[in-house]
Amino acid sequence: GQNIDQPTEMTATEGAIVQINCTYQTSGFNGLFWYQQHAGEAPTFLSYNVLDGLEEKGRFSSFLSRSKGYSYLLLKELQMKDSASYLCAVRPPPGGNTPLVFGKGTRLSVIA
Amino acid sequence: SAVISQKPSRDICQRGTSLTIQCQVDSQVTMMFWYRQQPGQSLTLIATANQGSEATYESGFVIDKFPISRPNLTFSTLTVSNMSPEDSSIYLCSVLLDSNQPQHFGDGTRLSIL
Repeated sequence: GQNIDQPTEMTATEGAIVQINCTYQTSGFNGLFWYQQHAGEAPTFLSYNVLDGLEEKGRFSSFLSRSKGYSYLLLKELQMKDSASYLCAVRPPPGGNTPLVFGKGTRLSVIA
Repeated sequence: SAVISQKPSRDICQRGTSLTIQCQVDSQVTMMFWYRQQPGQSLTLIATANQGSEATYESGFVIDKFPISRPNLTFSTLTVSNMSPEDSSIYLCSVLLDSNQPQHFGDGTRLSIL
């Protein structure tokens, strides 16, 4: 089975940097994904990692360590519009078509 | 990516009735899934919609309660049967365009049962 943990809530200041952590325990692994979900809207894809290391996409970066079962999402130059829930998801075995399993999400509030 | 159209976007239903939710994609996709998101919660997978065959349901979800169809590679329906207030939730269609890629989501159907 899958067990995905992330903090429930975080607060950060506009213009700052925030790191949202995600740990997972799975019987196998085919990639880790990050999604953003604004209140009342569908999740939108942000980033994913299959291999260890950092993936950078503008203000957003995601890091993965498979040996530690650990990932983080880094948001730089925070803006008010970044206030949203951030969902960590894992693709379990057996392969690349397996549906994602989601963590409970981290609700981020960006304050002035 | 793909354009995923889900309807209805919201509905208010009476207890004991059924509602069918439609998901239409503008291109052929490898996989289609249905998720539920209860208030304040994360996403829970209901089932994988298989083209031309019975859906694959997750533990806790059964075909009699959530019948699913997928007649072709671009369309699927989820029916929520014999609804009760506990079924009040957002139901989301999700697609996988190709293996080892991210999933993408429709806008969801917000369902309230009185």
